[in-house]
Amino acid sequence: AQTVTQSQPEMSVQEAETVTLSCTYDTSESNYYLFWYKQPPSRQMILVIRQEAYKQQNATENRFSVNFQKAAKSFSLKISDSQLGDTAMYFCAFISNIQGAQKLVFGQGTRLTINP
Amino acid sequence: KAGVTQTPRYLIKTRGQQVTLSCSPISGHRSVSWYQQTPGQGLQFLFEYFSETQRNKGNFPGRFSGRQFSNSRSEMNVSTLELGDSALYLCASSRGAGSFWGAEAFFGQGTRLTVV
Repeated sequence: AQTVTQSQPEMSVQEAETVTLSCTYDTSESNYYLFWYKQPPSRQMILVIRQEAYKQQNATENRFSVNFQKAAKSFSLKISDSQLGDTAMYFCAFISNIQGAQKLVFGQGTRLTINP
Repeated sequence: KAGVTQTPRYLIKTRGQQVTLSCSPISGHRSVSWYQQTPGQGLQFLFEYFSETQRNKGNFPGRFSGRQFSNSRSEMNVSTLELGDSALYLCASSRGAGSFWGAEAFFGQGTRLTVV
């Protein structure tokens, strides 16, 4: 079975600090994608960053970057220079393509609060 | 371009009733997935449709069903509602096929269903 684990239910940092959210996953697939989604109080899930498993280079999107360790099945998200607008639930997710069927498997989420 | 539209945004139903939720995907997207989000269980996959065919189904009872129309719009139906069906139901659309199978899933704002 494919599972995603986020071990930090809640985190809180001061504005402008750097914060790292952890995620581990379990799969027997060799080809898959990993995502970090953000869900602010508005409930809209928004993609933060995406990583292709066959790419060794870690993905980056402005202040957001990942540390992808394929052998360890680890996919952490680093937010640099955190801003008040980064306050949200963050979900790590995994998708593979088995016989054309796809589904996102989500972790339980990390509630991140950025304090002024 | 317009995002994923879910209707209605809020719904209150009585135990034993049935409910139909609607999702209009982004134009050109043929894959529509449904997720149930609750505080206790997190985000759980319900089913995925592609070109009017259900490609994948999560571990939910038969009371949960769905369909997709030729214009890719999708509906999900829950019959004989139970109190435990109270949740946020999220719909996501993506291109979801061929070389795009790992593409970003775009989410709607969800339908908040309350069963009383």
